[in-house]
Amino acid sequence: IAGITQAPTSQILAAGRRMTLRCTQDMRHNAMYWYRQDLGLGLRLIHYSNTAGTTGKGEVPDGYSVSRANTDDFPLTLASAVPSQTSVYFCASSELADSTDTQYFGPGTRLTVL
Amino acid sequence: GQNIDQPTEMTATEGAIVQINCTYQTSGFNGLFWYQQHAGEAPTFLSYNVLDGLEEKGRFSSFLSRSKGYSYLLLKELQMKDSASYLCAVLDSNYQLIWGAGTKLIIKP
Repeated sequence: IAGITQAPTSQILAAGRRMTLRCTQDMRHNAMYWYRQDLGLGLRLIHYSNTAGTTGKGEVPDGYSVSRANTDDFPLTLASAVPSQTSVYFCASSELADSTDTQYFGPGTRLTVL
Repeated sequence: GQNIDQPTEMTATEGAIVQINCTYQTSGFNGLFWYQQHAGEAPTFLSYNVLDGLEEKGRFSSFLSRSKGYSYLLLKELQMKDSASYLCAVLDSNYQLIWGAGTKLIIKP
């Protein structure tokens, strides 16, 4: 593995179903982030983690939860998916939180909720 | 509120020069990033400015004026592979990135 990987690449999901998007990085970065990207809008931060064991809410956290049990993994869970959660989801990481460090992005997960 | 503005779409010719502007109003400022995003792919880092002035990196340059809340990305000797979206993002006082919607750059032969 090199960098950040995300799984699945794409998914079609029925409304009301539970879904976990996976994100793994091998750069030993402390900070990790989940964004959603919708047409005509900038990337919006859903949740973040400054270091293993801690998480925080971003701009649009409702309907999503995260955990950070270790440095490498940062899964995003949709407890009960709704059509408005149809989007492209990007996981990112940076060496340090609360810094000017560059964020590196995974390839994204395209999620469609019907 | 916090706001990042950049043009939705621009068209340029292969071999030419194009300037993509970004204006911002944010709560605090800890630097401005430019990312490139090809269709269906992840954003990738291009540049970071925190001081006023021009930063040059090969065919790409980025300019910042903090007093005007303004930045631009200058792309020279355009190539077809430069067709992509260019995202402007400001690091606010809480060190969170505020993103513009991106400028889709179309390069014509």
